[in-house]
Amino acid sequence: GAVVSQHPSWVICKSGTSVKIECRSLDFQATTMFWYRQFPKQSLMLMATSNEGSKATYEQGVEKDKFLINHASLTLSTLTVTSAHPEDSSFYICSARAERQNTEAFFGQGTRLTVV
Amino acid sequence: AQTVTQSQPEMSVQEAETVTLSCTYDTSESDYYLFWYKQPPSRQMILVIRQEAYKQQNATENRFSVNFQKAAKSFSLKISDSQLGDAAMYFCAHNTNAGKSTFGDGTTLTVKP
Repeated sequence: GAVVSQHPSWVICKSGTSVKIECRSLDFQATTMFWYRQFPKQSLMLMATSNEGSKATYEQGVEKDKFLINHASLTLSTLTVTSAHPEDSSFYICSARAERQNTEAFFGQGTRLTVV
Repeated sequence: AQTVTQSQPEMSVQEAETVTLSCTYDTSESDYYLFWYKQPPSRQMILVIRQEAYKQQNATENRFSVNFQKAAKSFSLKISDSQLGDAAMYFCAHNTNAGKSTFGDGTTLTVKP
């Protein structure tokens, strides 16, 4: 199957700083990438959908100025949590879908963010 | 909009026995895909099985099979000969043709030795 690499796998940052999470498709071109947030023992909640070369589409209730998403190439999307606060601590997961693959998206390993 | 409901927050099964995890969904799509994912403690999402909605035949992957009832919008997962390594959280998901996934709340499966 296709491989999606997410980096870092975990990060601790101070309140008020920004953190960037990368999502890379290693062996396919990802025209669409999805960013999810998951709280412990809960489901994955879609935050936004990003298409290469265009602005991300955010789900209702997600602050686009706080969660900046960039999808500048067909193999890389980034999520930047700006001015992070403890309530932003969570598990963030990306998934990527290839243009010709309309069945499933492939998941990264996830990033555990802790804001102290 | 799509919704996915998993009515069993927790399930347990004896090793080597069979267990069925329930999932129902609602969708406005005429063509869609359904998945079961396994999320172990590492939290990596692992695809267990997929079903194309236009296919009537139930998907099977080794010990994993589904009972897909399209009219009833039901998509249950059966795990046969359960193994200790099957213990994880299982998510049912609906995908649109655009690849957008909607997940259920998950079912935590415990396998007893």
